[in-house]
Amino acid sequence: EAQVTQNPRYLITVTGKKLTVTCSQNMNHEYMSWYRQDPGLGLRQIYYSMNVEVTDKGDVPEGYKVSRKEKRNFPLILESPSPNQTSLYFCASSPGLLTGELFFGEGSRLTVL
Amino acid sequence: GESVGLHLPTLSVQEGDNSIINCAYSNSASDYFIWYKQESGKGPQFIIDIRSNMDKRQGQRVTVLLNKTVKHLSLQIAATHPGDSAVYFCAENGAAGNKLTFGGGTRVLVKP
Repeated sequence: EAQVTQNPRYLITVTGKKLTVTCSQNMNHEYMSWYRQDPGLGLRQIYYSMNVEVTDKGDVPEGYKVSRKEKRNFPLILESPSPNQTSLYFCASSPGLLTGELFFGEGSRLTVL
Repeated sequence: GESVGLHLPTLSVQEGDNSIINCAYSNSASDYFIWYKQESGKGPQFIIDIRSNMDKRQGQRVTVLLNKTVKHLSLQIAATHPGDSAVYFCAENGAAGNKLTFGGGTRVLVKP
């Protein structure tokens, strides 16, 4: 089954404790992206990757890092999480953005205390 | 399920009626637009898309209309049923085409 898989789905952590949210897609998509979703603010792009070893900042990249060492994986790294990073995070992938839709994962709910 | 927005515009519609959801987009250079549906606790799911060389596209029970003159997009859902209750987002691909920018979303509540 074609899908985007995120882990963990739920996480409660404390300020400053590094964490990684993994994202994997099995569709051989070149494009991958991370969004965060907050009440009243909709979906905002954090980082995106057009292909392996090619990443770029989205609209709200501060406090986040990403890597794209393999085509299928695009982890989101919070080196020193802060409470303002409490949010619902979505990973998404696409064959190539100009050609069609983004396929989204089920989301990861992160709470930073 | 997860809350996706506490202060969204809400459209209440009676089961069986048609729904129209509107969206104003910002970038006149955008040439690709998508409507997504997000149910509680889930990620956004593709509904229908349209390119800027079209002004109308129809799917199964859904129609998207694009008015480039006023930068307006709408989604029409025919014969709405309770399974259509969700938050609906429009998205545009922007000038560079390297990301989708999402609108704030509209919550649709279908009353039985």
